[in-house]
Amino acid sequence: DVKVTQSSRYLVKRTGEKVFLECVQDMDHENMFWYRQDPGLGLRLIYFSYDVKMKEKGDIPEGYSVSREKKERFSLILESASTNQTSMYLCASSPTSNSYNEQFFGPGTRLTVL
Amino acid sequence: AQSVSQHNHHVILSEAASLELGCNYSYGGTVNLFWYVQYPGQHLQLLLKYFSGDPLVKGIKGFEAEFIKSKFSFNLRKPSVQWSDTAEYFCAVLEGSWGKLQFGAGTQVVVTP
Repeated sequence: DVKVTQSSRYLVKRTGEKVFLECVQDMDHENMFWYRQDPGLGLRLIYFSYDVKMKEKGDIPEGYSVSREKKERFSLILESASTNQTSMYLCASSPTSNSYNEQFFGPGTRLTVL
Repeated sequence: AQSVSQHNHHVILSEAASLELGCNYSYGGTVNLFWYVQYPGQHLQLLLKYFSGDPLVKGIKGFEAEFIKSKFSFNLRKPSVQWSDTAEYFCAVLEGSWGKLQFGAGTQVVVTP
């Protein structure tokens, strides 16, 4: 089974802090994704990466950056956390195959910024 | 960019009732479509997917969805729901060549005993 793990289930930070959310997948997937999930808005893509050191902006990249130094690890960085970044953050991975682009999701990190 | 609309945000129904959740997408060309489900406290997981072929797709746990190209729709159905189907359901469409998904806003389904 594909396993996507996220470093924390719950995180509480203060406004202005730098926040790191880590995601690791164990299936050698090329593609990795960071979403935020908010009630009534569904999942919105922040950033994705299709290879090591490669990154692409998603729909809502403002206030975030990412890092992918190793294939299995994709980090989301909030340079200066703000209260409007309080949300559930979901990481996902998928293989590059054109036939099956199912994304496999981690358990999520619920971030609260005070 | 594509957009995905899920028309029902909250649905409450009794066990054994039939369920249908609407999903419409904006793109008129070839589409790859998904339904994901998130049970309380669990990971988001794939329910079913459509890539090509038979427009009636069967998924896990007795769910099915019908792709109707002329209506830009991919509605999810289950003939008889159970209490364990209480969850949030997300429709999604594949966008671009890197496996990027565009999700709908989700429908919270509550099944009462």
